[in-house]
Amino acid sequence: GQQVMQIPQYQHVQEGEDFTTYCNSSTTLSNIQWYKQRPGGHPVFLIQLVKSGEVKKQKRLTFQFGEAKKNSSLHITATQTTDVGTYFCAGPFGGNQFYFGTGTSLTVIP
Amino acid sequence: DSGVTQTPKHLITATGQRVTLRCSPRSGDLSVYWYQQSLDQGLQFLIQYYNGEERAKGNILERFSAQQFPDLHSELNLSSLELGDSALYFCASSVGLADSYNEQFFGPGTRLTVL
Repeated sequence: GQQVMQIPQYQHVQEGEDFTTYCNSSTTLSNIQWYKQRPGGHPVFLIQLVKSGEVKKQKRLTFQFGEAKKNSSLHITATQTTDVGTYFCAGPFGGNQFYFGTGTSLTVIP
Repeated sequence: DSGVTQTPKHLITATGQRVTLRCSPRSGDLSVYWYQQSLDQGLQFLIQYYNGEERAKGNILERFSAQQFPDLHSELNLSSLELGDSALYFCASSVGLADSYNEQFFGPGTRLTVL
């Protein structure tokens, strides 16, 4: 079954509102990565988290890795139309198997 | 431009046929990953190669096979195609292995349509 779940599956927000997507793994991860896929595009790496409880920021994006290293979140402050896309978390399972989460599709209404 | 190339961009074929998708990784990257993305679906990990050797298998059907050549390019072979195989197939590359904290760089994908 799916090893990495994300919620919500879809999110529509007004431009300027905040957005959060949550990622939950069935097992402890050595690291977790986040990718963004624009409509019609390919996934692009955003960031990697390695340490328990780690928090990293990229401008309006805040990424967090849970204490148990089984969950993670991505928070976008004051969304812009350029934030539109699907956000995936991903991580290594059982060594070199690499699984992506189910993804959260973000729509920003101008 | 990620530096990963995939050919062809589009492929239309019939059920029962066999196709080959090609991927060239970024210069210097030793790992190649293959993923399948169906409509409204997430990215399904298929298989990973590292420096010519298979290192991990995911949800890859027995009708599918892959290999990585000495020049590090990789091919994904899909045979006895079914309608449900229609999807976007991505190749990604990284410097090292999946559990080595390496980001993956994705190619533009090959869109396969099986009629």
